[in-house]
Amino acid sequence: AQSVTQLGSHVSVSEGALVLLRCNYSSSVPPYLFWYVQYPNQGLQLLLKYTSAATLVKGINGFEAEFKKSETSFHLTKPSAHMSDAAEYFCAVSDDRDDKIIFGKGTRLHILP
Amino acid sequence: GAGVSQTPSNKVTEKGKYVELRCDPISGHTALYWYRQSLGQGPEFLIYFQGTGAADDSGLPNDRFFAVRPEGSVSTLKIQRTERGDSAVYLCASSSLAGGAYEQFFGPGTRLTVL
Repeated sequence: AQSVTQLGSHVSVSEGALVLLRCNYSSSVPPYLFWYVQYPNQGLQLLLKYTSAATLVKGINGFEAEFKKSETSFHLTKPSAHMSDAAEYFCAVSDDRDDKIIFGKGTRLHILP
Repeated sequence: GAGVSQTPSNKVTEKGKYVELRCDPISGHTALYWYRQSLGQGPEFLIYFQGTGAADDSGLPNDRFFAVRPEGSVSTLKIQRTERGDSAVYLCASSSLAGGAYEQFFGPGTRLTVL
C-alpha cells in the first residue's frame, strides 16, 4: 500500500536560510510524487510534481525537489526562505495519473525574522 | 478561468442530521475526487469519479457516506445521521487526463461542524 512519511510536523528556519522539508514514500510501482502547500484559510496549491521525467523537479516560488529512488525520498528544498513561505506543506504520492492521492500528515513551516 | 468551487463554505449541523456538500469542478474535467481533512492531518481520500460513475469509493468510511455525479459534472457528497467525528474540512478536486499533464486542482473546501 502507498504511504507517505513527513519527518517533522513543525520546522522553523530563519528568513534567508535554507528550507529542507523531508518526505519518504512507499509505493509498489513507480510513483507520481507531489508537494502541495496550504496557506492559512486557503485551499491546497500544487508546488511541484514528479511524473517519471527529470529527477530534479522545479516548482513555483523557488521550490524544488529531488526524486531519489534508492532512498525512496522526495525532499523539498528552497535556497532562501521568505516570510511568505510560512504555510503547511504536504507531500503526496499516487500510483497512477488518474488515481487517488495519498497525503502525508503535513509539515508546518515557520519563518523566523 | 474559474477553479473548483464548493458550497457551502461552512456548514454547522446537529448530530443525527443529514447534510449535502456540493462541488463544481473545472469545466471539462472528467475526473472528480472527494477528500476529508481533519484538524492537524493531511487530506484523506474518500471517493473518485470518472465521468458519472464512481471508479473508486474505497475511502468512504461507512455507509452513512454517499456521493453522486449524475451528469458527469457537479458532484454532491451526502452524509446521513451525522456524528461529531464527521467534523472536518471536505475537499473536492478535479483533473483532466488529456494531454499527459497530471494535476488535481483543489477547491477551497467545506468546513463541516457537527455539534
